[in-house]
Amino acid sequence: AQTVTQSQPEMSVQEAETVTLSCTYDTSESNYYLFWYKQPPSRQMILVIRQEAYKQQNATENRFSVNFQKAAKSFSLKISDSQLGDTAMYFCASLSYTGANSKLTFGKGITLSVRP
Amino acid sequence: DAGVIQSPRHEVTEMGQEVTLRCKPISGHDYLFWYRQTMMRGLELLIYFNNNVPIDDSGMPEDRFSAKMPNASFSTLKIQPSEPRDSAVYFCASSFYQWYSGNTIYFGEGSWLTVV
Repeated sequence: AQTVTQSQPEMSVQEAETVTLSCTYDTSESNYYLFWYKQPPSRQMILVIRQEAYKQQNATENRFSVNFQKAAKSFSLKISDSQLGDTAMYFCASLSYTGANSKLTFGKGITLSVRP
Repeated sequence: DAGVIQSPRHEVTEMGQEVTLRCKPISGHDYLFWYRQTMMRGLELLIYFNNNVPIDDSGMPEDRFSAKMPNASFSTLKIQPSEPRDSAVYFCASSFYQWYSGNTIYFGEGSWLTVV
């Protein structure tokens, strides 16, 4: 079974500053993928960034990057130069590769507020 | 592409009534997922289909819930009879072929159900 834990329910950051959102996960699988999804007030779920567990290099997407610590089963999201549009709920998710029966498991999410 | 389309966006119904939520996946996607989001339980996978066939329905909470996918472009999630504890946002999502290899899962905007 997979579990994803996001222990911080909410965070706040000043516009243009950097913020890091924490996530830990647990899986017995050797092959898995990790994701961060953003959910703005519109409720749309938007993929922010994705990391393959077999890759040691941390994924980056423009202002978004991850710190993937495989041994510690930690997968944090860093948002640089925060913008007002980054205000949203952020979900960490894991997907273990067990063939056709894989499931995407989400953490409980963290509410991020960007202050002007 | 129009994205994943869900209807209705909002529904308020009385306890005991039948509720039908609808989803049109992205054209060409052959995996379809139904998720439920609540404050208490976060995002839960209810069921998913591959090529219109249900693969895993272990997340369906009880017999009051049923889901169908009669063709590649349409799916329904039905609750009969509905109860107040079913109040949640229900998301439909779709993905390509080998989604378990980490391909992006695209979400609809959700159907917000309130049962009074």
